[in-house]
Amino acid sequence: SQKIEQNSEALNIQEGKTATLTCNYTNYSPAYLQWYRQDPGRGPVFLLLIRENEKEKRKERLKVTFDTTLKQSLFHITASQPADSATYLCALDPSQGGGGYQKVTFGIGTKLQVIP
Amino acid sequence: ETGVTQTPRHLVMGMTNKKSLKCEQHLGHNAMYWYKQSAKKPLELMFVYNFKEQTENNSVPSRFSPECPNSSHLFLHLHTLQPEDSALYLCASSQGLLAGKESTDTQYFGPGTRLTVL
Repeated sequence: SQKIEQNSEALNIQEGKTATLTCNYTNYSPAYLQWYRQDPGRGPVFLLLIRENEKEKRKERLKVTFDTTLKQSLFHITASQPADSATYLCALDPSQGGGGYQKVTFGIGTKLQVIP
Repeated sequence: ETGVTQTPRHLVMGMTNKKSLKCEQHLGHNAMYWYKQSAKKPLELMFVYNFKEQTENNSVPSRFSPECPNSSHLFLHLHTLQPEDSALYLCASSQGLLAGKESTDTQYFGPGTRLTVL
């Protein structure tokens, strides 16, 4: 069966360090992968999308890599700040386009705590 | 008002009550979604409406009934719920995809309704 694995336990890092979160998947052939941020009691907010033919994507202090051979995505936050503390979700869409809507499957998320 | 809004933000109801959750999107999107998020579980897709037509019903119990009167509004009607239905219910919208057209379709979420069933 299809499975997305994220370390569901909290990741604690010191302010200023680089946080690295992992998303592993099995039995998927995703066309692309997305990362979302979710704060307590709020809905997820889209951060980055990376396609299957892209190795790396950057946005300000965020970097995402996508290794379809390892079936893994890494999400990095450089120069982390306490405001980066949140739960980060990875999401896969196995579709190759069409179908009329996006049937995305979400991981359980990793809770990041940046300590001042 | 911008983005995706949901009302109410919090709801406590008994198992015999009937209530409705409302979602409104101001983004001009054509697809809308209901998700359920329980503690220590990933987001569960419940319903999808694409261009006002329901295109997905993920084996959701009939005590949950969606309604999409237009592309901007989405409702989730609740009746005779169970305590295990207590969760955060999230609405999302996206541009919507036309069949046969390759695209990505980022979802924009509302703040959610925290539902407690007593």
